Amino acid sequence: DVKVTQSSRYLVKRTGEKVFLECVQDMDHENMFWYRQDPGLGLRLIYFSYDVKMKEKGDIPEGYSVSREKKERFSLILESASTNQTSMYLCASSSAYDSFYGYTFGSGTRLTVV
Amino acid sequence: SQQGEEDPQALSIQEGENATMNCSYKTSINNLQWYRQNSGRGLVHLILIRSNEREKHSGRLRVTLDTSKKSSSLLITASRAADTASYFCATDAPGSARQLTFGSGTQLTVLP
Repeated sequence: DVKVTQSSRYLVKRTGEKVFLECVQDMDHENMFWYRQDPGLGLRLIYFSYDVKMKEKGDIPEGYSVSREKKERFSLILESASTNQTSMYLCASSSAYDSFYGYTFGSGTRLTVV
Repeated sequence: SQQGEEDPQALSIQEGENATMNCSYKTSINNLQWYRQNSGRGLVHLILIRSNEREKHSGRLRVTLDTSKKSSSLLITASRAADTASYFCATDAPGSARQLTFGSGTQLTVLP
């Protein structure tokens, strides 16, 4: 069964900590995405990547960075976590050549910054 | 940026009834997709309809697309308690390199 795996379901971090959220996909997809989801605000795109070592800013990149050293892995980094980054983080991947199956999402990481 | 807006924001129906959710968007699209999200989980892709299609079926799902009105609807027939979830539309716009923009979602509750 094809899937996107996010390393943690729940995470609690302290303000100021550097936080790494890992995402791995096994579908050989070219595209990978990081969203955050907050009540009333829907899904907002943080960063995306169309290829290894390539990254593009989404709608809300401030306070975040990403890394894609291998095709299957896309990491989201919170350089200095703040309480307003408490959220559900969703990773997704998709094929660059076939949109029929849409995005495949991971199960999400619920991050709490205290 | 939020392109799609779902209507209603919340919908509660009895098991066996049909559920209809609507989505409006602002710009031209390549395709429109619907996703389901169970509480606290990731989104699951349900169905995709291309801009040159008007209607599509998949099992108990029926999607329509009216590009002149920039709107789509998702109909779930003979609903079940297991259909309880949030439903999101997402649009793929020309020039976006398959970057999807999601709506704010409809919370569907199916009562047994």
